[in-house]
Amino acid sequence: GNSVTQMEGPVTLSEEAFLTINCTYTATGYPSLFWYVQYPGEGLQLLLKATKADDKGSNKGFEATYRKETTSFHLEKGSVQVSDSAVYFCALSDLPGANSKLTFGKGITLSVRP
Amino acid sequence: EAGVTQFPSHSVIEKGQTVTLRCDPISGHDNLYWYRRVMGKEIKFLLHFVKESKQDESGMPNNRFLAERTGGTYSTLKVQPAELEDSGVYFCASSQEHAYNEQFFGPGTRLTVL
Repeated sequence: GNSVTQMEGPVTLSEEAFLTINCTYTATGYPSLFWYVQYPGEGLQLLLKATKADDKGSNKGFEATYRKETTSFHLEKGSVQVSDSAVYFCALSDLPGANSKLTFGKGITLSVRP
Repeated sequence: EAGVTQFPSHSVIEKGQTVTLRCDPISGHDNLYWYRRVMGKEIKFLLHFVKESKQDESGMPNNRFLAERTGGTYSTLKVQPAELEDSGVYFCASSQEHAYNEQFFGPGTRLTVL
């Protein structure tokens, strides 16, 4: 079946540091890929998505590129802020598009210190 | 516009008791999903409603779990009788009719079974 593997956490960075969170996946077919973020006390929010190979999703300074050859969707940000502290989840959809069940990774907690 | 709401936010019960979780999706969203995150593990899909019909319930762990969505509006997830391994955070999400629509998540219900 489908699966998503995220790097182990937690991750602690200083403000303005570069962020990379690794995500690899196993799936049949051509899934869509997502990064969700959960801020303290809130529900998950879609951060960015990519629906086909070589697509780059971007939002709020975060980027991730759908790499079919390495089955990866690593999340990057050039300069993190304290407000980026949250839990980040990599996910894929079984069918092309978000309107189907999602398979998530374990999530990783990011803490950014001033 | 109100987001997805879930009630209660926390529930602590003893093994063998019954608990009912409620989810109110965004108005007009035909798709409603239930997910669960057990401590430190992945968020796992439980089931998917389209209006009042169960589209996919492949993730329901066993027959102690019963989900309903009468009238195609809010949904309830009942656990009866609860076991220790049912502890976790239960998330609800909703989305509009068409594929590629984003799933909007609620804040989750934290269930603790003692």
